[in-house]
Amino acid sequence: GENVEQHPSTLSVQEGDSAVIKCTYSDSASNYFPWYKQELGKRPQLIIDIRSNVGEKKDQRIAVTLNKTAKHFSLHITETQPEDSAVYFCAANGAAGNKLTFGGGTRVLVKP
Amino acid sequence: SAVISQKPSRDICQRGTSLTIQCQVDSQVTMMFWYRQQPGQSLTLIATANQGSEATYESGFVIDKFPISRPNLTFSTLTVSNMSPEDSSIYLCSGTRLTGDEQFFGPGTRLTVL
Repeated sequence: GENVEQHPSTLSVQEGDSAVIKCTYSDSASNYFPWYKQELGKRPQLIIDIRSNVGEKKDQRIAVTLNKTAKHFSLHITETQPEDSAVYFCAANGAAGNKLTFGGGTRVLVKP
Repeated sequence: SAVISQKPSRDICQRGTSLTIQCQVDSQVTMMFWYRQQPGQSLTLIATANQGSEATYESGFVIDKFPISRPNLTFSTLTVSNMSPEDSSIYLCSGTRLTGDEQFFGPGTRLTVL
């Protein structure tokens, strides 16, 4: 089945700086790659996703890039703010198409 | 986004007992899933809840321990059976719509087993 690895596990940045989280996946059949943000005690919330026919997608301060050849994708957050502090999870859908395999998560702390 | 609710939101149970968690989704949801999130960990898929038939379990999860029902399109239950402290986790249901790949999560049920 699919295996997703995520790095780093923790990330501390100064407010206003950029944050980058990287994920690799194993199943070349994966074609959908969502990113979730989970605040303490809350449910995971979808913040951005990308499909394999696209190399990059941007939504305001958040962008995701995908390299199908290398089987990795990354989340970029620019101009970080304290409210960006949370745990971020990447995921991939694998050959099954609609079952998600999650990365281990990245705890992001934005220091004011 | 889809509307997904769960109950109970939390519970504290004694070992050896069972707890049934309910998940209600809006009518636009087609696929339903159950996940476990152990303290400080990522999400692990337990099973896909199939309407009117047996759930499809992932490796490491079995029906005797985690029986799942989905009697209709918008409702599913997960039972955690014969609980031990190792079952202390957050259990989340999720759903996807026919119109897209996006998967939306319920608020979760925080289970503590003593």
